[in-house]
Amino acid sequence: GQNIDQPTEMTATEGAIVQINCTYQTSGFNGLFWYQQHAGEAPTFLSYNVLDGLEEKGRFSSFLSRSKGYSYLLLKELQMKDSASYLCAFKASGGYNKLIFGAGTRLAVHP
Amino acid sequence: GAGVSQTPSNKVTEKGKYVELRCDPISGHTALYWYRQSLGQGPEFLIYFQGTGAADDSGLPNDRFFAVRPEGSVSTLKIQRTERGDSAVYLCASSVGTGGSYEQYFGPGTRLTVT
Repeated sequence: GQNIDQPTEMTATEGAIVQINCTYQTSGFNGLFWYQQHAGEAPTFLSYNVLDGLEEKGRFSSFLSRSKGYSYLLLKELQMKDSASYLCAFKASGGYNKLIFGAGTRLAVHP
Repeated sequence: GAGVSQTPSNKVTEKGKYVELRCDPISGHTALYWYRQSLGQGPEFLIYFQGTGAADDSGLPNDRFFAVRPEGSVSTLKIQRTERGDSAVYLCASSVGTGGSYEQYFGPGTRLTVT
């Protein structure tokens, strides 16, 4: 079967670093996505990993280990505006283009 | 430029009624997706169009749900005999192509409330 798991909530301090973990299980894999979603708004794309390793994009980085079914999103120099839900999603292989999402991690950044 | 737009933004209907939700994808995007999101959950896949045809409708929960994309652009999600359990935010997304790396751009969603 397919499933994906991430922590429900996290808190962090402005200026700090936070790592949001995601584990997944699927028989076929065609990439791992991270989206940010502010309350009441649409999800917006943050990153995509299909090969093992770290992808860095400004303050945000994403890591993937396909053999472990594991990814994390690393947010540096946290700002108050980073308070949002962070959604982990994978795309299955075999011509399927749907994203399978986790429930999301609600991150609260405090001063 | 214009993103994905969805109308209406909010829809309140009575149990048993019929509703239509509209999605305008980004111009030139061939792939279009419908998801629904319940409070505190991630988006759940419903159906995906490649052009005018439904390439994957495995997420539609039952035969009360139907979607069309007659000209390969605008799509309409149709729900018959609505039930209170259908209450959710219905999200539409589009992508310029298919395959692994193409990101999906999401619209703001339609919040459906069935009373």
